[in-house]
Amino acid sequence: QITLKESGPTLVKPTQTLTLTCTFSGFSLSSSGVGVGWIRQPPGKALDWLAVIYWDDDKRYNSFLNSRLTVTKDTPNNQVVLTMTNMDPVDTATYYCAHRFCSGGCFDAFDIWGQGTMVTVSS
Amino acid sequence: QSALTQPASVSGSPGQSITISCTGSSNDVGGYNYVSWYQQHPGRAPKLMIYDVRYRPSGVSNRFSGSKSGNTASLTISGLQAEDEADYYCSSFTRNSSYVFGTGTKVTVL
Repeated sequence: QITLKESGPTLVKPTQTLTLTCTFSGFSLSSSGVGVGWIRQPPGKALDWLAVIYWDDDKRYNSFLNSRLTVTKDTPNNQVVLTMTNMDPVDTATYYCAHRFCSGGCFDAFDIWGQGTMVTVSS
Repeated sequence: QSALTQPASVSGSPGQSITISCTGSSNDVGGYNYVSWYQQHPGRAPKLMIYDVRYRPSGVSNRFSGSKSGNTASLTISGLQAEDEADYYCSSFTRNSSYVFGTGTKVTVL
């Protein structure tokens, strides 16, 4: 059974750096094709894709946020870390990590999501 | 990458069929058969309903179907049920090997 869980601060101040950890089980980020993505959702608004990291350490970022995002993996400990610099109140959102869908091959979709963690940016 | 365009809301009566559109460009929806659809109930994480334009993951009802024509993808829900009332988001792989979500559609069962 695949599970993911996000953890990190619930409140950050403007200009600070946000660090979120996704701890997962039921799969390995060393397996070919596997990936973990990050998606956020401001209150009452749409999903916003942020980043993905793959088994081979390939990383892709939202082009609008590219300069502020970094994603890394800790394969032995089954964790993925997202950092976002220079936080602003508009970054207030629920942040999700999600598993890349794999079934007889891997696909460009995310099938298992964490419960999400709400991050508020305020002074 | 700008968000894909979806209608803000779609409604239908129980048993009816509804279709949600998702319009992008040749850099995303039109350029790849990697469109997925997600259902999200209030306060819950999204659930994958369709991947690669038209395929359902195991466990998803066959009342949900997907298609694509040019730069527009569509999700059709047949035999609408009360439990289908939720927000729906499309997503596409993009030219720069990233992803983009749609603006979201609220489905109301009358």
